[in-house]
Amino acid sequence: EAQVTQNPRYLITVTGKKLTVTCSQNMNHEYMSWYRQDPGLGLRQIYYSMNVEVTDKGDVPEGYKVSRKEKRNFPLILESPSPNQTSLYFCASSLNRANEQFFGPGTRLTVL
Amino acid sequence: AQTVTQSQPEMSVQEAETVTLSCTYDTSESDYYLFWYKQPPSRQMILVIRQEAYKQQNATENRFSVNFQKAAKSFSLKISDSQLGDAAMYFCAYTPNYGGSQGNLIFGKGTKLSVKP
Repeated sequence: EAQVTQNPRYLITVTGKKLTVTCSQNMNHEYMSWYRQDPGLGLRQIYYSMNVEVTDKGDVPEGYKVSRKEKRNFPLILESPSPNQTSLYFCASSLNRANEQFFGPGTRLTVL
Repeated sequence: AQTVTQSQPEMSVQEAETVTLSCTYDTSESDYYLFWYKQPPSRQMILVIRQEAYKQQNATENRFSVNFQKAAKSFSLKISDSQLGDAAMYFCAYTPNYGGSQGNLIFGKGTKLSVKP
């Protein structure tokens, strides 16, 4: 089954404790992206990747890191999480950004 | 800066009737793509419809159609014969086909649609 998976689905952590949210797709898509969704703000792009080893900042990259060492994986790293990073995070992939993006189920992150 | 604006935070429609959700965008590009995504209470993001800017014909997918006005930079979504399952958040999104922002995808803030039985 074609899908985008994210783990964990829910995470409660404390300020400053490094964490990684994994994202994996099985569709051989070149384009992958991370978004955060906050009430009243819609979805905002954090980082995206056009292909392996090619990443770029979206609209809200501060406080986040990504890597794309393999085509299928695109982890999101929070080196020192802060409460303002409490949000719903989505990973997505597509053949390229002009095509339909397939979204993961979301990760609800709470930073205390 | 490229922006996407959805001016209606909430909308309501009676079952079986028609509703139109508004979206405007700001860009200096001439070649780009526009999307409408639906997010039901399950939170899953689902593509509703996609429009290529260089195509004059408005995209249609079953009960969903768009009114794409390139000169006015407007991209509204029309839902015909509304069903209870259409109740969701709807997001408009834009991405340029070239230029410095090669991969940037910009979403509006969303419109919450309620469907009354």
